[in-house]
Amino acid sequence: DQQVKQNSPSLSVQEGRISILNCDYTNSMFDYFLWYKKYPAEGPTFLISISSIKDKNEDGRFTVFLNKSAKHLSLHIVPSQPGDSAVYFCAASEFSSNTGKLIFGQGTTLQVKP
Amino acid sequence: NAGVTQTPKFRILKIGQSMTLQCAQDMNHNYMYWYRQDPGMGLKLIYYSVGAGITDKGEVPNGYNVSRSTTEDFPLRLELAAPSQTSVYFCASRGQANQPQHFGDGTRLSIL
Repeated sequence: DQQVKQNSPSLSVQEGRISILNCDYTNSMFDYFLWYKKYPAEGPTFLISISSIKDKNEDGRFTVFLNKSAKHLSLHIVPSQPGDSAVYFCAASEFSSNTGKLIFGQGTTLQVKP
Repeated sequence: NAGVTQTPKFRILKIGQSMTLQCAQDMNHNYMYWYRQDPGMGLKLIYYSVGAGITDKGEVPNGYNVSRSTTEDFPLRLELAAPSQTSVYFCASRGQANQPQHFGDGTRLSIL
């Protein structure tokens, strides 16, 4: 029972173009969502988050959009750079539970070509 | 700036052996977590702790034990290693509720 799904295992884009990574969730109790980036042989690094009271959050080249009715969120990277090549994980939690437990998607491997 | 430190980085165990994966953080975080990541999969929560002396099970706790005697340390114990426990293990910590988790660089464990 996968509560958080990233249906695209991989994505390849050209440098300078937009990268769009998608994530779907099934649990309507989730109210806080995060994106993590992971390089090989390193731990995940926090990228950006969004609360369910918002539908958009922006931080530099990274924007996360949340569509609560569709239980869908997406991460936009504009412009994409070769250094963005990594595995991206979507994660969700019940903020109100105060445990901080995260449910992760399977990850999407992004390759940005020079 | 050490952050979250995990030791060892790599380990090979024989079936039935036991070992402890160490995790330490120097950020005075109350919340700590253990995850495992299998190939091609996301991270799955094994155990977590909301403060010293308090631990609770996550999604996949079977075959593991934890303790939290100090704020800084959160060791994960495998008592009888099985091939299904071959994985990469990540430890994470978090401060306040609106802060993200910070991860260590992982321990790669193989059980043969």
